[in-house]
Amino acid sequence: DAGVIQSPRHEVTEMGQEVTLRCKPISGHDYLFWYRQTMMRGLELLIYFNNNVPIDDSGMPEDRFSAKMPNASFSTLKIQPSEPRDSAVYFCASSRRTSVDTQYFGPGTRLTVL
Amino acid sequence: GQNIDQPTEMTATEGAIVQINCTYQTSGFNGLFWYQQHAGEAPTFLSYNVLDGLEEKGRFSSFLSRSKGYSYLLLKELQMKDSASYLCAVRVINQTGANNLFFGTGTRLTVIP
Repeated sequence: DAGVIQSPRHEVTEMGQEVTLRCKPISGHDYLFWYRQTMMRGLELLIYFNNNVPIDDSGMPEDRFSAKMPNASFSTLKIQPSEPRDSAVYFCASSRRTSVDTQYFGPGTRLTVL
Repeated sequence: GQNIDQPTEMTATEGAIVQINCTYQTSGFNGLFWYQQHAGEAPTFLSYNVLDGLEEKGRFSSFLSRSKGYSYLLLKELQMKDSASYLCAVRVINQTGANNLFFGTGTRLTVIP
């Protein structure tokens, strides 16, 4: 299995621009998670999906952030407009069942907003 | 909210044993995970405890006491490659019955020769 795939691996953009991060979960996993990691706040859950449906988006910082999962093999996290404080590493993870199974993380996207 | 505490940094000697502690205060506890994260890489799963006691997996062991809100990760026969951040994560069932995972800020372990 290829594991969780994320793209791009690095993104540098200017303040105000739209940023789209992409994720392909492990085949057969029903749950998909988006996390953000910074030195100050550690790893924070932004949103997660079960069978393509958003279950909990309480971690999404504000309306500038949105996430979609149009099918079982693809999800996007969009920031519009981006701000310098959004600079972080964004991880996507997937699991079969949250009650028992572990989460497998993708390599992350390092976002820098200038 | 969830409160998860672990030391920020630790240093240990190659070949030694090190214990990384994690304390938590939460409602709806449904398990505790330990993840390892090397610099610039993604977290990878190490262990999972949902019942009290010790879980052993090779050189790594994890302990949980639910009544004390306490866990530790024990690393034996330390190797240089064990230098990494170790993240304690608590799974919580929320009011809707969904499970969320909350991470501590991690303990950065440095193994020295």
